[in-house]
Amino acid sequence: DVKVTQSSRYLVKRTGEKVFLECVQDMDHENMFWYRQDPGLGLRLIYFSYDVKMKEKGDIPEGYSVSREKKERFSLILESASTNQTSMYLCASRRSGPYSYNEQFFGPGTRLTVL
Amino acid sequence: AQSVAQPEDQVNVAEGNPLTVKCTYSVSGNPYLFWYVQYPNRGLQFLLKYITGDNLVKGSYGFEAEFNKSQTSFHLKKPSALVSDSALYFCAVRGFSSGYSTLTFGKGTMLLVSP
Repeated sequence: DVKVTQSSRYLVKRTGEKVFLECVQDMDHENMFWYRQDPGLGLRLIYFSYDVKMKEKGDIPEGYSVSREKKERFSLILESASTNQTSMYLCASRRSGPYSYNEQFFGPGTRLTVL
Repeated sequence: AQSVAQPEDQVNVAEGNPLTVKCTYSVSGNPYLFWYVQYPNRGLQFLLKYITGDNLVKGSYGFEAEFNKSQTSFHLKKPSALVSDSALYFCAVRGFSSGYSTLTFGKGTMLLVSP
């Protein structure tokens, strides 16, 4: 089974801090994704990576950056955390394919609170 | 741009009764459609997907979904609900961001199954 792990289940940070959220997958998937989940808004794509060293902006990239130095690891970085970044963050991975219809596999999520 | 609508924030059903969670979509080209479930304090789990072929798709935990092209719908169904089916359900459609395949999620529907 695919396993996607995230470094923390719960995280509390202060406004202005630099925050790192780590995601690791163990199935050699090429594609990785970061979402945030907010009540009433569903999941919104922040950034994604189709392969190592590659990154693309999603729908709401402002205030975030990412890093993918190794295939199995995809990091989300909040350069200067703000209270409006309090949310549940979900990482996902997917095997690449010719028609891009493979399902994504999700990690358990990190609930981030910014005070 | 692609979009997904889940018109019900919450669906209530008694155990043993059939359930339906509604989803409509908008996308250019052939639709690739997905259902995911999220149990409390967990990440999303893949239930099923429609790519092509039979309009009735069977998935995990006894769930199925009916694809209707003329109504642009992909409703999730189960003949007999269980209390353990209580969870948050997300419908998603494949789209493209910067030329890469991504998923656009609906806002989610909370399913509550009463004993």
